[in-house]
Amino acid sequence: EVQLLESGGGLVQPGGSLGLSCAGSGFSFSTHTLTWVRQAPGKGLEWVSAFASGGGTYYADSVRGRFTISRDNSKNTLYLQMNSLRAEDTAVYYCASLGDLDVWGQGTTVTVSS
Amino acid sequence: DVVMTQSPLSLPVTLGQPASISCRSSQSLVHGSGETYLSWFQQRPGQSPRRLIYKVSTRDSGVPDRFSGSGSGTYFTLQISRVEAEDVGVYYCMQGTHWPPNTFGQGTRLQIK
Repeated sequence: EVQLLESGGGLVQPGGSLGLSCAGSGFSFSTHTLTWVRQAPGKGLEWVSAFASGGGTYYADSVRGRFTISRDNSKNTLYLQMNSLRAEDTAVYYCASLGDLDVWGQGTTVTVSS
Repeated sequence: DVVMTQSPLSLPVTLGQPASISCRSSQSLVHGSGETYLSWFQQRPGQSPRRLIYKVSTRDSGVPDRFSGSGSGTYFTLQISRVEAEDVGVYYCMQGTHWPPNTFGQGTRLQIK
């Protein structure tokens, strides 16, 4: 079964840090561009960051300089390190393949609040 | 970034009746390769999104044939020929032509009258 499974969400204070992980299985992990998409409470989908299969990394303007995406193809895992968190980063974070292969994780909730 | 604009944002539909959602992009979604990377996603309540349609009109595996996509350039449509109860949720269009970033429409909430 093709699957992505996120972990690492939680409650963090403004200015704090949090790291998310996304483990893939059932497909050729290294050959796909993988993306983090978030959804604030009651809101729509927002593209956050992507790690291309060829190695390039890309960020939304709203997170550039604060978030870092990485991947370990030997572990079939995608990561998102989030620093200097703000209240507006509160959301469900999904990892997904948005290319030829459509697969989404179940999401992990990040809450930034004091 | 390409702006995707959906309408309507709320869509009440009677069971068994058709439904249509439109999506406009701020620039043409025709890629240099000749392909048009416009997808439609469905998000049922409490679930992750799933893709229904890619490259404007190709249905993903397992998607009922009552769902169809059409359009070109900057104007696209998702049609449901006969709405069923399981179709309740929010529908998003997304462009992948001018990537990064992928950009999504605001979402259209489909509900049963």
